[in-house]
Amino acid sequence: NAGVTQTPKFQVLKTGQSMTLQCAQDMNHEYMSWYRQDPGMGLRLIHYSVGAGITDQGEVPNGYNVSRSTTEDFPLRLLSAAPSQTSVYFCASRVQGGTDTQYFGPGTRLTVL
Amino acid sequence: AQSVTQLGSHVSVSEGALVLLRCNYSSSVPPYLFWYVQYPNQGLQLLLKYTSAATLVKGINGFEAEFKKSETSFHLTKPSAHMSDAAEYFCAVSGGAGGGADGLTFGKGTHLIIQP
Repeated sequence: NAGVTQTPKFQVLKTGQSMTLQCAQDMNHEYMSWYRQDPGMGLRLIHYSVGAGITDQGEVPNGYNVSRSTTEDFPLRLLSAAPSQTSVYFCASRVQGGTDTQYFGPGTRLTVL
Repeated sequence: AQSVTQLGSHVSVSEGALVLLRCNYSSSVPPYLFWYVQYPNQGLQLLLKYTSAATLVKGINGFEAEFKKSETSFHLTKPSAHMSDAAEYFCAVSGGAGGGADGLTFGKGTHLIIQP
């Protein structure tokens, strides 16, 4: 198993550009989520999905879109990048149920100029 | 809604000394609690978790944590620090960040520094 994979590892955008951060998992997990990590802020939930076709907003959803067409993939879209979206983005997945371990991808470091 | 407070954004200990990282939570329901570790430029790795079984939970790399309901705490300890323990540590509680029952709410993290 590859676990949770994310691409790209690094990305530099200009203000106003759009891009998609890719996330895939091969563990057949129903629950997938996106977090952003900023210094001194911990990790904050952006969007999450409890299964294919079902998504919902987390704590900081503004400026981001998601979709879940398959169990394996959960891409995060930035429609019009802003400097405030400079951050490290982590995708995670888990089996449904609050006791189970959430597995994290290696992260994407995004810089918006 | 759940929340997590980690006391001390930086903790420095000498190699071989006791490590104590503090975590307090608030929750309206019995919580599930987690400690994750993040090494530089890497993702998060689970150290241990509390899921309402034993209150003293043992994890990887010699770490353990004790759930104390009366103190709403879940502090992380290790008897003897090693240089390889230098990392960022996050306490998390399940639910509360608008992520449904399965979403995690994280503390702001504690950076553990090991002095030789």
